[in-house]
Amino acid sequence: QQPVQSPQAVILREGEDAVINCSSSKALYSVHWYRQKHGEAPVFLMILLKGGEQKGHEKISASFNEKKQQSSLYLTASQLSYSGTYFCGTGRTNAGGTSYGKLTFGQGTILTVHP
Amino acid sequence: GAGVSQSPRYKVAKRGQDVALRCDPISGHVSLFWYQQALGQGPEFLTYFQNEAQLDKSGLPSDRFFAERPEGSVSTLKIQRTQQEDSAVYLCASSFGPILNQPQHFGDGTRLSIL
Repeated sequence: QQPVQSPQAVILREGEDAVINCSSSKALYSVHWYRQKHGEAPVFLMILLKGGEQKGHEKISASFNEKKQQSSLYLTASQLSYSGTYFCGTGRTNAGGTSYGKLTFGQGTILTVHP
Repeated sequence: GAGVSQSPRYKVAKRGQDVALRCDPISGHVSLFWYQQALGQGPEFLTYFQNEAQLDKSGLPSDRFFAERPEGSVSTLKIQRTQQEDSAVYLCASSFGPILNQPQHFGDGTRLSIL
């Protein structure tokens, strides 16, 4: 089942902050975050594994709440280059407890950063 | 090459024709995924290969879709008797290992238009 992302779209001025949320109705093993610009490949940002970890990458960080089956992506002091569509991809283990990299992606959040 | 390479970049076909889309993954990557991305939507899983073995084809929409990776590197996605609803961007991704803690690296995709 597809995870739900919110908000669907957000408009920022350079330097402002944003939070993008990703929620699933199923138990998750991992959450992957990607950014895609129009006509280009999705670009990997980070992976969070179950265990409630938080990761950071420059001014972009994320958290994963395994119990709530939710992840949030935090963008601070946004730059023009942050514009694009952000996708979360969720991964689950199968009934036998093993996993492979099949991801189920949300519908995306369109982020626009203006000067 | 350094990244995942897909060809052709654009493909226009008439309804009923067969098409073949090629994916050249990152050298040494064990896992290869095909996704379909409709306009304004997130990528949707089609099929997964671990080396030359197709371990999951649950996302293929119909028996008109066929994928192969005979030598464990290059993969081809074939669509027979194309229909208008097959129009989409087809993305290929590869990852070093088979498990969910590995990032997936995407190609730029093939934009397929069925007239």
